[in-house]
Amino acid sequence: AQSVTQLGSHVSVSEGALVLLRCNYSSSVPPYLFWYVQYPNQGLQLLLKYTTGATLVKGINGFEAEFKKSETSFHLTKPSAHMSDAAEYFCAVSDRQTGNQFYFGTGTSLTVIP
Amino acid sequence: KAGVTQTPRYLIKTRGQQVTLSCSPISGHRSVSWYQQTPGQGLQFLFEYFSETQRNKGNFPGRFSGRQFSNSRSEMNVSTLELGDSALYLCASQGQGGTEAFFGQGTRLTVV
Repeated sequence: AQSVTQLGSHVSVSEGALVLLRCNYSSSVPPYLFWYVQYPNQGLQLLLKYTTGATLVKGINGFEAEFKKSETSFHLTKPSAHMSDAAEYFCAVSDRQTGNQFYFGTGTSLTVIP
Repeated sequence: KAGVTQTPRYLIKTRGQQVTLSCSPISGHRSVSWYQQTPGQGLQFLFEYFSETQRNKGNFPGRFSGRQFSNSRSEMNVSTLELGDSALYLCASQGQGGTEAFFGQGTRLTVV
């Protein structure tokens, strides 16, 4: 079975500072990789995904993530945090063969300090 | 293109009752999955339906069931509600050959 580990359940950054949210996965075969964002009392919105090809992927709202197979990691970054980035972020994986069941990390709550 | 629609948004039920939640996927999507989100357990997969057939099921008791209709709309049912069933229930749809899941806004179920 797949598993996802997000290091740091709470991350605080100053407005304008670098955002770095960590995600590691456990799988014998590299899965599909995703980052989702959730605002209070809302569903999940896809930020970006990695399926194949270029290992640095760009998403919405200035976020990007890099797939590193050797480190089994898919960390999310944004060069400059905005107040509107405050939310819960989830890393997720799905199996390349079935692709219809997602395994989520426990989430990282991002606080942006003005 | 309309997104995934879940109804109702909020529900309050009493222990022992049953509840039915509804999900309309994005037009053309035939795969619908359900997830339970709680502060303690996080996001957990309940089941997935494709073309009216359950393809995959998570580790939940039989009180949790679902179905999918010919128009791909899906319902999930929870019988004999327990306090621990209080959660945000999220529905997601995927297109044919698509890799990402598109989520609805969820139904917040509170069991009292």
